[in-house]
Order: sequence, then C-alpha cells, then structure tokens
Amino acid sequence: GNSVTQMEGPVTLSEEAFLTINCTYTATGYPSLFWYVQYPGEGLQLLLKATKADDKGSNKGFEATYRKETTSFHLEKGSVQVSDSAVYFCALIPSGYSTLTFGKGTMLLVSP
Amino acid sequence: NAGVTQTPKFQVLKTGQSMTLQCAQDMNHEYMSWYRQDPGMGLRLIHYSVGAGITDQGEVPNGYNVSRSTTEDFPLRLLSAAPSQTSVYFCASSYDSRAPNYGYTFGSGTRLTVV
Repeated sequence: GNSVTQMEGPVTLSEEAFLTINCTYTATGYPSLFWYVQYPGEGLQLLLKATKADDKGSNKGFEATYRKETTSFHLEKGSVQVSDSAVYFCALIPSGYSTLTFGKGTMLLVSP
Repeated sequence: NAGVTQTPKFQVLKTGQSMTLQCAQDMNHEYMSWYRQDPGMGLRLIHYSVGAGITDQGEVPNGYNVSRSTTEDFPLRLLSAAPSQTSVYFCASSYDSRAPNYGYTFGSGTRLTVV
C-alpha cells in the first residue's frame, strides 16, 4: 500500500539554525509529493509540492526535492524563524488517484 | 472570502447522540474529503467525493455517513457518537481530482468531543 514515514518530533531549534525534516514514502509508480504546514489552532496549508522525479518545490524559504531513487522528499530551510514553529506533514497522492496519504507529522519548535 | 468553511468549530456530544458536521466550498471544486486528526496518527481519510452524487470510503469510514447532493456541500454525519470519535475533523477540497498539482484547500477544522 501507500505510506509516508516522517521523522518523529519534536524538532527543537534555535532561530537561524538549519532545518531538515526527513520524509520517505512507499508508493507504486510516480506519486505527487507535498508538504503541508499546520500552525497552532489552524487548518493545514499547502507549503510546497513536486509532481515528478527531480522536481524541487520551494516556498517561503523552504525547499524539498523529489528523489525517486531514494523515495524521499526531505524538507529543508537554511535559517528558521520563531514564526516557523508549527507541525509539518509530508503527504503523497499516488499516480492515477486523488486521495492524499499523510505522514504522522513533525512538530517544529523554534526558540529565539 | 473564498475557501472551505466548516461549522461548527467546537462541539461536545454525549455518547449516542447524532450530529452533522458541515463543510462548504465556493471554489467550484470537484473533489471534497473528510479527515480526522488524532495525536500521533496524522490525518486519516474518512470519506471522499469526486463529484456531486458520488462518494466513497476512505481509511476509517466506520461510524460516519456522507452525501454530496451539490458541488458546494459535503456534510459528515455521525449517527451515534462514540468516545472513539473524539477528534479534530478537517474538510478538504481540490479543483480536479485527476490533477493533484493543484493541491488541496483545507477548512479550519471542527474539534469534537464525545463524553
């Protein structure tokens, strides 16, 4: 079946530190890959996406590259801010389907 | 404002009561879905719809019913609430179920407690 595995949190960083949140997936074919972010008390917002191998999604300083050979889509940011504190979800839509499958989420806490 | 609107935001039910969680979108999206979010479990799909009159089950459909009589609305019904249904529920929609490039738009959620 289709699944997404994310590193467990919380991830605790100081402001301006480098961020990596690991995400690997299992799916047949070529799924579309997504990162969503959930700020406290809010719904999920699409952060970035990639729909084919070697694509790089980017938004608000965050980046992730679709690596077919390692079935990974790791989220990175060069310098985090306190306002980046949130829960980050990696997700996929299998090729030919419409339903999102989520990872369990990784909480990021950034301190000043 | 355009988007996905969920009501109510908070609800407390007694075991055995019924209720409907409302979800409406004004973006003419074909695809709509319901997820529940539980600690340590991420989001799990309950039911989804690829268009008016068409619904299907997701990963955790038991205890929930849905219908899609219009493009705009996709209500989620709990016929007999159980404490295991205590969760945060999110409705999400997408322009075209065959084009996931668009991503999904999520509502702000309904926090349900069953006592």
